[in-house]
Amino acid sequence: NAGVMQNPRHLVRRRGQEARLRCSPMKGHSHVYWYRQLPEEGLKFMVYLQKENIIDESGMPKERFSAEFPKEGPSILRIQQVVRGDSAAYFCASSRNRDPSSYNEQFFGPGTRLTVL
Amino acid sequence: GENVEQHPSTLSVQEGDSAVIKCTYSDSASNYFPWYKQELGKGPQLIIDIRSNVGEKKDQRIAVTLNKTAKHFSLHITETQPEDSAVYFCAAQGGKLIFGQGTELSVKP
Repeated sequence: NAGVMQNPRHLVRRRGQEARLRCSPMKGHSHVYWYRQLPEEGLKFMVYLQKENIIDESGMPKERFSAEFPKEGPSILRIQQVVRGDSAAYFCASSRNRDPSSYNEQFFGPGTRLTVL
Repeated sequence: GENVEQHPSTLSVQEGDSAVIKCTYSDSASNYFPWYKQELGKGPQLIIDIRSNVGEKKDQRIAVTLNKTAKHFSLHITETQPEDSAVYFCAAQGGKLIFGQGTELSVKP
């Protein structure tokens, strides 16, 4: 019963390069969320996706960041032309459903720690 | 906008003592309040949660209380053990899950 999987666990990029972070949700979960955690801070919501749909991207920076959750394969968070301020831990979570009248327990992956040199 | 305030930011207790972490939230539409434990280098792990129609919930040494009128909720850990040492996050969900800033709990043997 594998949990949420994220890879890579650690990623080092130079300024201007691209970073691709992958997330495989728990089995049976079709909702994926991405969060960013800066050192000694809480997690900040970035984006919520279902298969092939972006539901809420209100926490995504306007430029350089994009996310997708294709019909087949993992969800991808892509950061183009990385800058030092992008250095952070990026966590993915998944849930089984997203009924607004229900409660949506989110299970988190181990995170990807991005370092921009 | 939506906000969750968490206090204290650090908490040091002796093994066996109790620990209390408090949070307040701003979005009155919030109806789900989970608590997460995060150990160094790992992702947050859900330890307990409470729904808006319940005032208190207990699970062994952990309890949560919720005061919807005051928009407060708290985590209580009794008989603390060194393995309870971690960063604890509260969160509130109306639409998005909004996290508090975290409390670093240190339990000294």
